[in-house]
Amino acid sequence: DGGITQSPKYLFRKEGQNVTLSCEQNLNHDAMYWYRQDPGQGLRLIYYSQIVNDFQKGDIAEGYSVSREKKESFPLTVTSAQKNPTAFYLCASSMQAGRAGANVLTFGAGSRLTVL
Amino acid sequence: KQEVTQIPAALSVPEGENLVLNCSFTDSAIYNLQWFRQDPGKGLTSLLLIQSSQREQTSGRLNASLDKSSGRSTLYIAASQPGDSATYLCAVRPQMDTGRRALTFGSGTRLQVQP
Repeated sequence: DGGITQSPKYLFRKEGQNVTLSCEQNLNHDAMYWYRQDPGQGLRLIYYSQIVNDFQKGDIAEGYSVSREKKESFPLTVTSAQKNPTAFYLCASSMQAGRAGANVLTFGAGSRLTVL
Repeated sequence: KQEVTQIPAALSVPEGENLVLNCSFTDSAIYNLQWFRQDPGKGLTSLLLIQSSQREQTSGRLNASLDKSSGRSTLYIAASQPGDSATYLCAVRPQMDTGRRALTFGSGTRLQVQP
């Protein structure tokens, strides 16, 4: 079945450590997105990528980094520069804007990061 | 900058009631608006999508309306069931000619349907 796989589902990190969250999709989608969700709040955009080897900062990119070396993969690194990294992280994908199916945004199940 | 607001933040109703969730946005230059459902600790599932040229969309007991000029959308749930208990989020996509190509989300309405 096609879909988005995020791993790990739960992750614990000590302060000062970098961690990388994985996001893989087999939907042949061009665009991929990372959102952060805090308790009782909506989703805030961290980074997004419309095409391989290209990505743009979202609203809260500070302390995060991404790469898009393959169409299927869009890993997110939470660096030690992120002051409050404990949150629920959601990855999503869609067809490139302007193409059929671009409206449909598919989400992964999320990764919960806790900083100890 | 687009801002999306959802009211109420939480809602508890008895089973069988019809209910309305509200979503408002500050910039009417949108391409479409989507309603999502999120179960606790899970990802989002798309429920309904309304293009900017449309007024409403229906799927089963769900009906979403859009008034683009006033920056409002509503999600109507008929004959609510305990299985409808979840958080409902709305999100807007900007028009195609803008630099930003990602959705802006509201903070959601947490719905509890009491059996």
